[in-house]
Amino acid sequence: AIQLTQSPSSLSASVGDRVIVTCRTSQGMSSALAWYQQKPGKPPKLLISDASILESGVPSRFSGSGSGTDFTLTISSLQPEDFATYYCQHFNGFSITFGQGTRLEI
Amino acid sequence: EVQLVQSGAEVKKPGESLKISCMGSGYSFITSWIGWVRQMPGKGLEWVGIIHPGDSDTLYSPSFQGQVTISADKSMNTASLQWSSLKASDTAIYYCATWKVSGSFDYWGQGTLVTVSS
Repeated sequence: AIQLTQSPSSLSASVGDRVIVTCRTSQGMSSALAWYQQKPGKPPKLLISDASILESGVPSRFSGSGSGTDFTLTISSLQPEDFATYYCQHFNGFSITFGQGTRLEI
Repeated sequence: EVQLVQSGAEVKKPGESLKISCMGSGYSFITSWIGWVRQMPGKGLEWVGIIHPGDSDTLYSPSFQGQVTISADKSMNTASLQWSSLKASDTAIYYCATWKVSGSFDYWGQGTLVTVSS
């Protein structure tokens, strides 16, 4: 089964910082990679699908890129509401896998 | 507006059975895949399985195959996740979510907390 490894597992940053979260897969895969944001006590929220497509209503400071085995989520200028846990997720046609999460802290 | 409304929190004993539900509205329930995701206390997200309500085609995570049953009632626009014999390790929040064919969960329910304790 494909394994997704996110790095870092946790990250301390400040408002206004540029932050990059990486998702690496154990084998090359399609661009069917998504990114979610989850805040405490809330369900996850889809931010990006197909590696780079920003979902409707998601601020443009979020962006996704990558292909093959390495994908990134970039937040260009952190806002107070961005402090949360971020997950990547992939679908290979018959199995869905989540990364272990990246906790973004102030 | 797409909405997924899940059934309320449950407290069960080990060995008991349970069925939790997720009612969808604001979209075509019959033609859209819907899935379940587990989140154990303080942990990450784990895929349980997905179902196509139109034909009940179901795909399970190997980790959950045989441990749970996913079903859908087209007449009630409701998907369900059930256990025949709960274990303490089933304690978690279970989310339902609609599945986009492009490979992501776009709309999420509020979550159902399942607590299994003797």
